[in-house]
Amino acid sequence: ELKVEQNPLFLSMQEGKNYTIYCNYSTTSDRLYWYRQDPGKSLESLFVLLSNGAVKQEGRLMASLDTKARLSTLHITAAVHDLSATYFCAVTHAGGTSYGKLTFGQGTILTVHP
Amino acid sequence: NAGVTQTPKFRVLKTGQSMTLLCAQDMNHEYMYWYRQDPGMGLRLIHYSVGEGTTAKGEVPDGYNVSRLKKQNFLLGLESAAPSQTSVYFCASSLRDPSDEQFFGPGTRLTVL
Repeated sequence: ELKVEQNPLFLSMQEGKNYTIYCNYSTTSDRLYWYRQDPGKSLESLFVLLSNGAVKQEGRLMASLDTKARLSTLHITAAVHDLSATYFCAVTHAGGTSYGKLTFGQGTILTVHP
Repeated sequence: NAGVTQTPKFRVLKTGQSMTLLCAQDMNHEYMYWYRQDPGMGLRLIHYSVGEGTTAKGEVPDGYNVSRLKKQNFLLGLESAAPSQTSVYFCASSLRDPSDEQFFGPGTRLTVL
């Protein structure tokens, strides 16, 4: 059974600081997603990571994937208030009857304060 | 394109009542999914469909039924609602392969009293 764990689950950051959210998963997967969700809203896709060593950056967010360690990181640089949201990682099953299904982490609630 | 839309946005039911949630997508996607989101648990897959006329169970299917009579629509039914089904429900769709990126609808907030 594929399990996805994020940490931390709650993150309170000061503006201007850097921090990293971690996403561990338990079995082989062929792609990993990061999503952002604002309160009361739907999920917005941030990054899709397809292969070992993949790194993608958008603004103050950078995501990376290490398939050997089964670990993805979402790094936040010089945080600003607008980044306050819940961030989810989600992993697709690599094969078998669950092929392609997404399993989500619990989410990390990020609050950026002055 | 409207993308993925869901109807209704909010609903309050009494225990034992039934209702149907409608998901529609205009992207000609083959795959469609229903998830529920509960606090601290991320999203969990209820049912999914790999094409018109086909459906399959996900992680938490009990108490729900689905139908995909038309490619663009995926319906989620609750025959006898229970308070444990109070949740936010999201529909999603993906293009052709189950590993293609999933696009999510705006969600339906359901409360069962």
